[in-house]
Amino acid sequence: SQQGEEDPQALSIQEGENATMNCSYKTSINNLQWYRQNSGRGLVHLILIRSNEREKHSGRLRVTLDTSKKSSSLLITASRAADTASYFCATEILANDYKLSFGAGTTVTVRA
Amino acid sequence: EPEVTQTPSHQVTQMGQEVILRCVPISNHLYFYWYRQILGQKVEFLVSFYNNEISEKSEIFDDQFSVERPDGSNFTLKIRSTKLEDSAMYFCASSDVGTGLNEQYFGPGTRLTVT
Repeated sequence: SQQGEEDPQALSIQEGENATMNCSYKTSINNLQWYRQNSGRGLVHLILIRSNEREKHSGRLRVTLDTSKKSSSLLITASRAADTASYFCATEILANDYKLSFGAGTTVTVRA
Repeated sequence: EPEVTQTPSHQVTQMGQEVILRCVPISNHLYFYWYRQILGQKVEFLVSFYNNEISEKSEIFDDQFSVERPDGSNFTLKIRSTKLEDSAMYFCASSDVGTGLNEQYFGPGTRLTVT
């Protein structure tokens, strides 16, 4: 079974709008991390939220974590064309020696 | 800002050949990882490495794969006899677990094409 699942699979928004994507997971975690990947490129670390945290901000990014529902959300406010990318959540599972389990990602397209 | 680097950016090889993918992790990091991403699929964990030995490996990381830290800066992934299905983007990552956060920083990847 897959640990991280994002939804929606794809999202198309107008520049200036907010983009929200969700991630659900199955087992208890140490932390959850969000990454961005531009087409065919590497993974850029965006934000890490620990299992005992509920919300975290970084610039235009807001991440929430609900461990009771085993879900997280990533909000990008005031989106820009440069935010066009795929976004992945990755979970570090308890007692799992630091490896990350990635979801399939949400592809975000920001239209100018 | 320190970053993980990988070489080459693209490697084309024939089935059955050996390939070595190279990575230079961030200098003060102690944990190193390899992941792969087959085109259009999600990123998959291959192996983690700490204190000069493998910490954990996935089912993908069979006897055809090996990792090595040959000196104080490089971290390599070797595939002994490549198969068509090894074609993927291979990402190296490193983390400083001493912070308690395990933020993993990824390199730009090596695109491996096996023909």
